[in-house]
Amino acid sequence: AQTVTQSQPEMSVQEAETVTLSCTYDTSESDYYLFWYKQPPSRQMILVIRQEAYKQQNATENRFSVNFQKAAKSFSLKISDSQLGDAAMYFCAYRRAKGGTSYGKLTFGQGTILTVHP
Amino acid sequence: SQTIHQWPATLVQPVGSPLSLECTVEGTSNPNLYWYRQAAGRGLQLLFYSVGIGQISSEVPQNLSASRPQDRQFILSSKKLLLSDSGFYLCAWSGEPGAGANVLTFGAGSRLTVL
Repeated sequence: AQTVTQSQPEMSVQEAETVTLSCTYDTSESDYYLFWYKQPPSRQMILVIRQEAYKQQNATENRFSVNFQKAAKSFSLKISDSQLGDAAMYFCAYRRAKGGTSYGKLTFGQGTILTVHP
Repeated sequence: SQTIHQWPATLVQPVGSPLSLECTVEGTSNPNLYWYRQAAGRGLQLLFYSVGIGQISSEVPQNLSASRPQDRQFILSSKKLLLSDSGFYLCAWSGEPGAGANVLTFGAGSRLTVL
């Protein structure tokens, strides 16, 4: 079974600074997707960024980028120029690419609470 | 564009009472639909998923059930709520295999408190 581990229950960053959130996962699959979701106080889950395992290039979305290390099964999220609105809980998630009854299901980590200080 | 609606947003129910949470998706057809629960604390746990009308797969044994009476409607139910059913319930959808199918889009969630 796949597992996702976020070892940082809480992180903090100063506004305009950079912060990196860690995530590791365990899988025997070679083809899969990885995601970072953001859950602000409203509790709506919002997709931040995604990475296809077959792509070596790290995904980027504006101020958000990932460091995907497939051999190490590591998938960290870097937030540059942090803003007050980035304060939220961040979840790392894994999904099989296709096939079988697991298709379409996300396995989540336990989350990291990010605080942004003005 | 596709939208997902979930209601009620907040629900307080006594132990032993029934439950019905509803989720509908607009702007797409034949979506894959999911119910997740987020207990106090952190992570999300998949409860049910559906790939079509009447097709429900359960991930964990529990006091809850799910139904999909229409293509874009997904309902989470219970005949008798337990205290342990309290939590935050999130509905989500994803598209047909292909572009974008690997992304789950979530509803705003329903907070259930069982007293």
